[in-house]
Amino acid sequence: DIQMTQSPSSLSASVGDRVTITCQASQDITTNLNWYQHKPGKAPKLLIFDASNLETGVPSRFRGSGSGTDFTFTISSLQPEDIASYYCQQYEDLVTFGGGTKVEVK
Amino acid sequence: QVQLRESGPGLVKPSQTLSLTCSVSGGSITRGGYYWSWFRQHSGKGLDWIGYVYNSGRTYYNPSLKSRVSISIETSNNQFSLRLNSVTAADTAVYYCARGWYNSIRNTFDIWGQGTMVTVSS
Repeated sequence: DIQMTQSPSSLSASVGDRVTITCQASQDITTNLNWYQHKPGKAPKLLIFDASNLETGVPSRFRGSGSGTDFTFTISSLQPEDIASYYCQQYEDLVTFGGGTKVEVK
Repeated sequence: QVQLRESGPGLVKPSQTLSLTCSVSGGSITRGGYYWSWFRQHSGKGLDWIGYVYNSGRTYYNPSLKSRVSISIETSNNQFSLRLNSVTAADTAVYYCARGWYNSIRNTFDIWGQGTMVTVSS
């Protein structure tokens, strides 16, 4: 099984701040990684696919990078509507999610 | 626009079988390039993948649940279903269905249902 280690588990930032989340795979997954946003009571939303591709309609302040085992997700300028939990997800071998990062506003 | 909606009992007794249905509207469940998946989220925890089914009926499951889970596709009703047997309180969670979309450049869960809460209790 491929394990996904995501950090931090939570963070607090101010509006306008740059936010960075990392995700590490237990083995090489090339770029077979997606990022999702999940707000309470809502359906999860796909933001980034294939590690670095922005899903249609997603604001450009969201960015993904990385390959192999190490990946990064960045919000360049945090907005109030970005308050949510974020998850990485690998599809190299079946499906595994990272533990999630809860993003809050200071 | 394709939409998914979960339905089923909100309360299941321990040792019984949890059964949920995901209804797909706005598009055919048999269209190529898609597969159909179930997830769950325990209170305060992250997302867990349960399994998925292709139009062919081929299934893949989370190894941790494989002995108790079954996912099937019902093309005549444009829906797919989840069955989880021998449930315990640890199966209490919000259950989500989602569409998987795969091609040469992506393999993503792009459309999700709103989720349905299932509680296991006597």
